[in-house]
Amino acid sequence: DVKVTQSSRYLVKRTGEKVFLECVQDMDHENMFWYRQDPGLGLRLIYFSYDVKMKEKGDIPEGYSVSREKKERFSLILESASTNQTSMYLCASNGGGRTDTQYFGPGTRLTVL
Amino acid sequence: AQSVSQHNHHVILSEAASLELGCNYSYGGTVNLFWYVQYPGQHLQLLLKYFSGDPLVKGIKGFEAEFIKSKFSFNLRKPSVQWSDTAEYFCAVNARAGNKLTFGGGTRVLVKP
Repeated sequence: DVKVTQSSRYLVKRTGEKVFLECVQDMDHENMFWYRQDPGLGLRLIYFSYDVKMKEKGDIPEGYSVSREKKERFSLILESASTNQTSMYLCASNGGGRTDTQYFGPGTRLTVL
Repeated sequence: AQSVSQHNHHVILSEAASLELGCNYSYGGTVNLFWYVQYPGQHLQLLLKYFSGDPLVKGIKGFEAEFIKSKFSFNLRKPSVQWSDTAEYFCAVNARAGNKLTFGGGTRVLVKP
């Protein structure tokens, strides 16, 4: 079974703090993705990575950065958290083919006060 | 750019009723199509996917979807729902030119026992 884990289920931070969200997958997948999920908007892609140290912007990258130093780990960084970044953050991975299923982690619900 | 529309945001129905959720996408080229489901408190998981061949796709838990290319649609159906089908359902599109999924806004389905 594919397993995608995220470091925290719930996180509360203050405006201006630097926030790290960690994601680890155990299936040696090439691609990893970060989404945010908001009611009525579905999932929106923030960044994705198709190899170690490689990254591409998704649809809403502003205010975020990412890091992929090892194949199994993909980090999302909020350099200076703002209240409009309060959301559910989902990590996903897949093996590389365009028809490949993306497997999702449980999500991190981030609240920025 | 590709986009996905799910026209129903909330659906309430009784057990044994039939379910159909609409999904339309806008993209001129070849696409892969997915339906994901998120049960309360659980990970997002794949229900079914289409990438070629028979446009009627069968998935898990009795769900099926039909790809109608001329209508840019990929509607999800289940002939007889159960209380356990209460969940949020997301349609997603992956254009063949890339590896990024674009999600619709989601439909929350509540099945009354």
